[in-house]
Amino acid sequence: EDQVTQSPEALRLQEGESSSLNCSYTVSGLRGLFWYRQDPGKGPEFLFTLYSAGEEKEKERLKATLTKKESFLHITAPKPEDSATYLCAVQAWETSGSRLTFGEGTQLTVNP
Amino acid sequence: DTAVSQTPKYLVTQMGNDKSIKCEQNLGHDTMYWYKQDSKKFLKIMFSYNNKELIINETVPNRFSPKSPDKAHLNLHINSLELGDSAVYFCASSQQAGDEQYFGPGTRLTVT
Repeated sequence: EDQVTQSPEALRLQEGESSSLNCSYTVSGLRGLFWYRQDPGKGPEFLFTLYSAGEEKEKERLKATLTKKESFLHITAPKPEDSATYLCAVQAWETSGSRLTFGEGTQLTVNP
Repeated sequence: DTAVSQTPKYLVTQMGNDKSIKCEQNLGHDTMYWYKQDSKKFLKIMFSYNNKELIINETVPNRFSPKSPDKAHLNLHINSLELGDSAVYFCASSQQAGDEQYFGPGTRLTVT
């Protein structure tokens, strides 16, 4: 069974204080690892897909990296508007379907 | 234009009632999904349709029945609602099974 564990559960940062969120996974053949951002009362918003170990993707202050066992979401010089819950999900190779298995998320708060 | 829309946004009903949630996507995607997010914010897939064909059917009570009248719509009907059905239900879509998924705003269901 695919499993995703995110840490920490919650993270408070001061504006400008860089940090990283962790996503550890076990999956029977990784097809893709996805990062989403979820604001309160809204649906998850797609950020990145990573497909193979060593791959990196960047978007503004966010950078996602992938190894064979985990992914990191690095946040450089965060701003208050980066406050949200960040969700990691994995997708395994299957004969049919494309289920995403989500972690429980990291709730990030960036204080001004 | 809203990419993935759901109605209603809020649904409050009594135990034993039957209710439906509607989802529409205007992205031209082939695959649509239903997820349930519980009080701990954990997102879990329920169903997936590809070109109106059911491809994922997780262990969900028979009281839940998805229906896809066409590629752009995926509705969720719930019979004999129970207290434990209270959650936020998200619809999502992707170009094809395996691609990144785009989520709707969610429907908060409260069963009293």
